[in-house]
Amino acid sequence: DTAVSQTPKYLVTQMGNDKSIKCEQNLGHDTMYWYKQDSKKFLKIMFSYNNKELIINETVPNRFSPKSPDKAHLNLHINSLELGDSAVYFCASSQDGGGPSGANVLTFGAGSRLTVL
Amino acid sequence: GENVEQHPSTLSVQEGDSAVIKCTYSDSASNYFPWYKQELGKGPQLIIDIRSNVGEKKDQRIAVTLNKTAKHFSLHITETQPEDSAVYFCAATGEAGTALIFGKGTTLSVSS
Repeated sequence: DTAVSQTPKYLVTQMGNDKSIKCEQNLGHDTMYWYKQDSKKFLKIMFSYNNKELIINETVPNRFSPKSPDKAHLNLHINSLELGDSAVYFCASSQDGGGPSGANVLTFGAGSRLTVL
Repeated sequence: GENVEQHPSTLSVQEGDSAVIKCTYSDSASNYFPWYKQELGKGPQLIIDIRSNVGEKKDQRIAVTLNKTAKHFSLHITETQPEDSAVYFCAATGEAGTALIFGKGTTLSVSS
């Protein structure tokens, strides 16, 4: 039973198109994240939602819009795709959002590889 | 904000040898330091973590050490096996509401 599932796994599209990636977790976690992994394998946080509320919004172009309909889902919509958006996008979840009490054990999905032509 | 540096970027060892990956962090408030292993075509998976109130933690062939004064932590893998070949990431976090900040990864190759 997949804990964090992302769809689609592969996405090939043309510049200028709009696309979405969906993520669902069945772990009962309160916090969900989107990370971007570039061609050099660097993992960078994009967004974080805690119980449907946005808590982290890093310096990401506003063409990227996350949406959390409920705490088990966090989708990523990308408008006007550019070549530089090509990457692997990872969804993750954790029991809470970190802080002095700790936790922050992230469970990652398998990734969605986006290729913009 | 937090910045995590990881070295080396690539590491090649013979099966049975030990491998050590080192990370430094900048934010003295950070208190949680996990290590993730990413196999080809998969998402990163937690292999071991350590909190700031502990100096060392071991789980079978893997161990992590933390030096809070020097703000660095290391992953040690003993008796390496070919299946240990993967990309390893260190990470750090501390402040409430912050996400894990990852190092740039180390590609470990274990040859038999």
